[in-house]
Amino acid sequence: GAVVSQHPSRVICKSGTSVKIECRSLDFQATTMFWYRQFPKQSLMLMATSNEGSKATYEQGVEKDKFLINHASLTLSTLTVTSAHPEDSSFYICSATPTHRTDTQYFGPGTRLTVL
Amino acid sequence: KNQVEQSPQSLIILEGKNCTLQCNYTVSPFSNLRWYKQDTGRGPVSLTIMTFSENTKSNGRYTATLDADTKQSSLHITASQLSDSASYICVVSSGGSNYKLTFGKGTLLTVNP
Repeated sequence: GAVVSQHPSRVICKSGTSVKIECRSLDFQATTMFWYRQFPKQSLMLMATSNEGSKATYEQGVEKDKFLINHASLTLSTLTVTSAHPEDSSFYICSATPTHRTDTQYFGPGTRLTVL
Repeated sequence: KNQVEQSPQSLIILEGKNCTLQCNYTVSPFSNLRWYKQDTGRGPVSLTIMTFSENTKSNGRYTATLDADTKQSSLHITASQLSDSASYICVVSSGGSNYKLTFGKGTLLTVNP
């Protein structure tokens, strides 16, 4: 149980285009989902906290207009990188917190974004 | 400021050998401490979770310890296998109304044949 999926697993796009990444909790409902970014040999950095039905809370330094987050249901959150640039190339990981266990996060497998 | 420090940064061992990874933290209020294994290009997978009252937890060949007084944790891997090659991340959760995770930078373990 407690599986979180991400789609796509890898994406390559041209500079200036937008990319949408999906995060799904497959066998549980998640009131809260988190989006992280991870650069090579670095730890995960929290970008934003996404709550179902409300606006996401962004960490300091993360542009909310560039990284659009939508958490429309208890099993799906999406991250859209708008007008992507090469410096946005990174490994994006989501996690989900079950509604019945708010002290736990299950991580997705990650999405490798490469912006040319 | 909440911090999690891990050592060593990287470690190379031979297959079959044991190793111990360290984690020191300054996180308040403390809720729990988890060790994750992250394979290259994959998301983290939880190995163990310990709360304040627990001082050891095992998961197969992985054994984690926690000393809440000194705010230290260790992850011991016995009889290492090639598939243990990964980054091991210590993550401390702060509780209460300000639930948040503080991540260590990880220890990159390489197991050679």
